[in-house]
Amino acid sequence: QKEVEQNSGPLSVPEGAIASLNCTYSDRGSQSFFWYRQYSGKSPELIMFIYSNGDKEDGRFTAQLNKASQYVSLLIRDSQPSDSATYLCAVTSGSARQLTFGSGTQLTVLP
Amino acid sequence: EAQVTQNPRYLITVTGKKLTVTCSQNMNHEYMSWYRQDPGLGLRQIYYSMNVEVTDKGDVPEGYKVSRKEKRNFPLILESPSPNQTSLYFCASSLQGASGNTIYFGEGSWLTVV
Repeated sequence: QKEVEQNSGPLSVPEGAIASLNCTYSDRGSQSFFWYRQYSGKSPELIMFIYSNGDKEDGRFTAQLNKASQYVSLLIRDSQPSDSATYLCAVTSGSARQLTFGSGTQLTVLP
Repeated sequence: EAQVTQNPRYLITVTGKKLTVTCSQNMNHEYMSWYRQDPGLGLRQIYYSMNVEVTDKGDVPEGYKVSRKEKRNFPLILESPSPNQTSLYFCASSLQGASGNTIYFGEGSWLTVV
């Protein structure tokens, strides 16, 4: 069974700080990597995706991918209380048949 | 408006009483999938469908059935629900394959089995 592992947290950071979220995956054939934000009881919403090794920046968010280490991370700069949510890492299998999620990291940004 | 519609959104049912959660998408997507979400476990895939009449098991298929007779609909069937199927269920669809940047999620269905 393909696995996606995340630190469950909870993670608390002060407002304005950098939040760092980490994820590892087991399937070396995985091609696509995603970060979703989910508020309690709501459906996940996509915030970042990355396909290639290295960094990808979008506003306050930076995704980092290291396929050799099977590791993907998300940095949130200048964290805001509205960023408080659960962040889900997800990986598409090499066959593109399955999108597998990690268990999520609960982030709290303290005013 | 592009959307994935699930019904019912909330349901309390009794053990053993068959139920169906419907899922419909209006985007002509080929790929559809069902997930369940339990506290601390993220989203776990139950079944997925690559196209009409093509379905396959995900990671937690036990106790569930699906069908894909037409492209827009992908119902989830619980033939004999049990309390361990109490969960939040999400249906999702994507144009082709399980691509996380083009996947659309329904609003979720809260199911309680007593």
